Amino acid sequence: QVQLQESGPGLVKPSETLSLTCTVSGDSISGHYWSWIRQSPGKGLEWIGHIYDSGSTTYNPSLKSRVSMSVDTSRDQFSLKLNSVTVADTAVYFCARDVNSGWNNWFDPWGQGTLVTVSS
Amino acid sequence: DIQMTQSPSSLSASVGDRVTITCRTSQTINTYLNWYQQKPGKAPKLLIYAASNLQSGVPSRFSGSIFGTDFILTITNLQPEDLGTYYCQQSYSSLYTFGQGTKLEI
Repeated sequence: QVQLQESGPGLVKPSETLSLTCTVSGDSISGHYWSWIRQSPGKGLEWIGHIYDSGSTTYNPSLKSRVSMSVDTSRDQFSLKLNSVTVADTAVYFCARDVNSGWNNWFDPWGQGTLVTVSS
Repeated sequence: DIQMTQSPSSLSASVGDRVTITCRTSQTINTYLNWYQQKPGKAPKLLIYAASNLQSGVPSRFSGSIFGTDFILTITNLQPEDLGTYYCQQSYSSLYTFGQGTKLEI
């Protein structure tokens, strides 16, 4: 059974960099896309971007200038960095396996999510 | 961007009811549409992929269908554990987007 677990600081100061890691267990990180998705308090879901095991990435254009993702296949981990954060980046951040069927993509499973608060 | 409009934004129903949630897309997306259930304080869970395919382990009272650019999630014989917020998500474009959610109260 595949499980994902997010980790990282729960509090980040404005203008600094948010850094999160997702650890995958029960499956190899190889051969899959892996996504980051966030949910602002009381709001809907926003896809941040995804990364393939090769390191190839696609980012949401609205965040592209501030986002970077990386993957460590030896540790079955992938990471998110979001720089120059503001209070608007306060959200629960989820990692998820991005299942690609060749003609459709869906997210399954998801990590439990981690709340990141941007505040001084 | 492909816009996703869910309706209703919230609904209240009773155990045993049949409910439908609609997701309308701003353009044709074939069957590149998935449905998720999110319970309070939890991560979303995949229910339906590719518009009408039931994810393994999901009760058969959940079903998905298409009518033009309208995608419909139907829950029959509603159970207390079905409360939560339901989201649609498209992967037709390289920018994946979600609907705004439908909150289901029981």
